[in-house]
Amino acid sequence: GENVEQHPSTLSVQEGDSAVIKCTYSDSASNYFPWYKQELGKRPQLIIDIRSNVGEKKDQRIAVTLNKTAKHFSLHITETQPEDSAVYFCAASINTGTASKLTFGTGTRLQVTL
Amino acid sequence: GAVVSQHPSWVICKSGTSVKIECRSLDFQATTMFWYRQFPKQSLMLMATSNEGSKATYEQGVEKDKFLINHASLTLSTLTVTSAHPEDSSFYICSARKSGHSGSGSYNEQFFGPGTRLTVL
Repeated sequence: GENVEQHPSTLSVQEGDSAVIKCTYSDSASNYFPWYKQELGKRPQLIIDIRSNVGEKKDQRIAVTLNKTAKHFSLHITETQPEDSAVYFCAASINTGTASKLTFGTGTRLQVTL
Repeated sequence: GAVVSQHPSWVICKSGTSVKIECRSLDFQATTMFWYRQFPKQSLMLMATSNEGSKATYEQGVEKDKFLINHASLTLSTLTVTSAHPEDSSFYICSARKSGHSGSGSYNEQFFGPGTRLTVL
């Protein structure tokens, strides 16, 4: 089955700096890669996703890049703010038909300090 | 929108009792729902895939007789933790899959419920 690795496990940045979280996946058939933000005790919230037919996607301060050949994808947050502090999970799935179960990475705890 | 609710939000029970958790898609129909378990400071681990009108598909290592799943309608899936023990204490989260078509093609996106915190004494 799919295996997703995520690094780093913790990340501390100063407000205004950029944060980068990286994930690798094992199943070359995976074609959908969402990123979730989870605050303590709450549900994961989808913040951005990318499909395998594109290499990069951006939404304001958040961007995701995908390298299918190397089977890795990354989340980039620019101009970080204290409210960006949370745990971030990457995930991968084969998003077709009745499949599309998500395999999650281990999570990155992002701390944005003033 | 796509809203998923869970009930209860938290439950405390005695060891040996059974607990039922409900997951509802409020504004869309979901033929497929997923049940996850999340221990403190860990990732979400998929327990099973719940399919409307058919048996659930369990992940390796998850006991189907202990974690009973019923998906009797297109908007409701239930997870029953039978004979709960302290090691079953965890945060249980469901998600419902919404399918459709957009300008970039077809999509399947999961929307998560708010989670249920189970504590077994």
